[in-house]
Amino acid sequence: AQSVTQLGSHVSVSEGALVLLRCNYSSSVPPYLFWYVQYPNQGLQLLLKYTTGATLVKGINGFEAEFKKSETSFHLTKPSAHMSDAAEYFCAVRGSYNQGGKLIFGQGTELSVKP
Amino acid sequence: NAGVTQTPKFQVLKTGQSMTLQCAQDMNHNSMYWYRQDPGMGLRLIYYSASEGTTDKGEVPNGYNVSRLNKREFSLRLESAAPSQTSVYFCASSEATGQGARTGELFFGEGSRLTVL
Repeated sequence: AQSVTQLGSHVSVSEGALVLLRCNYSSSVPPYLFWYVQYPNQGLQLLLKYTTGATLVKGINGFEAEFKKSETSFHLTKPSAHMSDAAEYFCAVRGSYNQGGKLIFGQGTELSVKP
Repeated sequence: NAGVTQTPKFQVLKTGQSMTLQCAQDMNHNSMYWYRQDPGMGLRLIYYSASEGTTDKGEVPNGYNVSRLNKREFSLRLESAAPSQTSVYFCASSEATGQGARTGELFFGEGSRLTVL
């Protein structure tokens, strides 16, 4: 069965520093992978997704993620953090047929950005 | 284009009271979902509806019922609220789930914040 592990429930960076949020997945089939962002008191919105094709995926607000099959990873990065990036980030993988093809979410990583 | 709309946004209940959370989507999606979000526990699926006329249990269905009223609307009912149901509830939709899904991408509502005293 597909699963997702996000390493680190809280990450803190300084404004202007590199953002790296880690996500590892387990999948018995070629995965579809997603990153969602949740700003305070809001719903989740899609940052980026990988389905097929280019392994480096660019998303909104300067974020990108690279699908690495050999490492079963889909880490999210941004070269320079901005205060407005403070939010909770969720990695997700599309579940297997036996899981109904539904998205399986990680536990989330809360990103804090210090001035 | 409103996307996924949830009502109410906030609700306070007393233990034992009942209420229904409403969700509507205007994207002509086949599949709809109800999640709850609790600190440190991520998102947990309560119920989902793969298509109009079908509903299935998710990870945490106890204490909840759902109705897929039509293609657009999917409601979540708490028959006898308990303090353990204090949470933020999210409705989501996707084009399809299972074999019919193109990517499985979910579109979320803004959330309904429920407190049970």
